[in-house]
Amino acid sequence: DAKTTQPNSMESNEEEPVHLPCNHSTISGTDYIHWYRQLPSQGPEYVIHGLTSNVNNRMASLAIAEDRKSSTLILHRATLRDAAVYYCILREGEYGNKLVFGAGTILRVKS
Amino acid sequence: SAVISQKPSRDICQRGTSLTIQCQVDSQVTMMFWYRQQPGQSLTLIATANQGSEATYESGFVIDKFPISRPNLTFSTLTVSNMSPEDSSIYLCSVVSDRKETQYFGPGTRLLVL
Repeated sequence: DAKTTQPNSMESNEEEPVHLPCNHSTISGTDYIHWYRQLPSQGPEYVIHGLTSNVNNRMASLAIAEDRKSSTLILHRATLRDAAVYYCILREGEYGNKLVFGAGTILRVKS
Repeated sequence: SAVISQKPSRDICQRGTSLTIQCQVDSQVTMMFWYRQQPGQSLTLIATANQGSEATYESGFVIDKFPISRPNLTFSTLTVSNMSPEDSSIYLCSVVSDRKETQYFGPGTRLLVL
């Protein structure tokens, strides 16, 4: 499984944008970039995923570098409810099987 | 989407005993996964359980320690056998959506082994 590197933790102010980086220099052409987050005392939940083009949904945006060796999850207006561990995961194929989790980034949101 | 429930939500067990964790999904799914999350750590995949076939275990996990059943498309169990304090973790069940692009996770079972 291709490896991802994320900062251990980040801090943001409430109602400000948050940019969570992820490096994946060994990504292969068939790897999709997935982001999940784990709120305190809950199982992980899907946030967004993409292959090459930037993606937007109601939760966040995903900006993917042109060489695909890095990506950034963007939360446009952080709220206290966004405080969680954010995992950047590479999964082979859009309809691949298992997710292999790395260490993730702990996001703290200050009011 | 898929709604997943797990039983028990938490338990405290004595070393040497076994605990069976149940995972129930509100829709039929082919692929089901069991993960372990040790205190303060990320999730580690234990095994993949597809209905009608033997579970596939990841490196470091064996069937004798973590036997899995998958009797139908909405249910699975994971047993943690001959427990030791090192087995204290959160155990999570996960399924893949119909379109297979999204995984859904249960709330987890918090296990403390004394």
